[in-house]
Amino acid sequence: EDQVTQSPEALRLQEGESSSLNCSYTVSGLRGLFWYRQDPGKGPEFLFTLYSAGEEKEKERLKATLTKKESFLHITAPKPEDSATYLCAVQGPGGYQKVTFGIGTKLQVIP
Amino acid sequence: NAGVTQTPKFRVLKTGQSMTLLCAQDMNHEYMYWYRQDPGMGLRLIHYSVGEGTTAKGEVPDGYNVSRLKKQNFLLGLESAAPSQTSVYFCASSPGLAGGWSQETQYFGPGTRLLVL
Repeated sequence: EDQVTQSPEALRLQEGESSSLNCSYTVSGLRGLFWYRQDPGKGPEFLFTLYSAGEEKEKERLKATLTKKESFLHITAPKPEDSATYLCAVQGPGGYQKVTFGIGTKLQVIP
Repeated sequence: NAGVTQTPKFRVLKTGQSMTLLCAQDMNHEYMYWYRQDPGMGLRLIHYSVGEGTTAKGEVPDGYNVSRLKKQNFLLGLESAAPSQTSVYFCASSPGLAGGWSQETQYFGPGTRLLVL
């Protein structure tokens, strides 16, 4: 059974204090690893898809990396507007219906 | 371009009542999904559809039914609501690339908060 574990559950940062969120996964035959951002009371918003170990993607202050066992979402010099819950999900070989989501990391950036 | 929209935004039901949640997308996506999100748990797939007129069960389908009569709409029905169905429901859609399985980027709606008393 595919599993996704995100850590920490919650993270509080000062504005400008860089850090990383972790997503550890277990899946037989990774097809894709997804990062989403979810603001309170809203649906998840797509950030990145990573397909193979060694791949990296960047968007503004966010950088996602992937190894064979985990993915990191690095946040450089965060701003208060980066506060949100960040979700990680993996897709196994079962196809589109086999996307497994983690519980998420709730990030709070304090001015 | 509204993306994925859901109605209603919030609903309170009594145990045993029925209701239908509506999802609409204007991106001409082939695939649509219904998820539920509960505290302390990741999003869980209820049902999904890979095209107009088709539906399939996901991870937690019991107590729910779905229909996809039009490509742009995906309906989720609760025939007899139970307190265990109190949750936030999200609809999502994805393009559905031709040629078999694919890594599907899903676009989510804003959610429907359902409280069953």
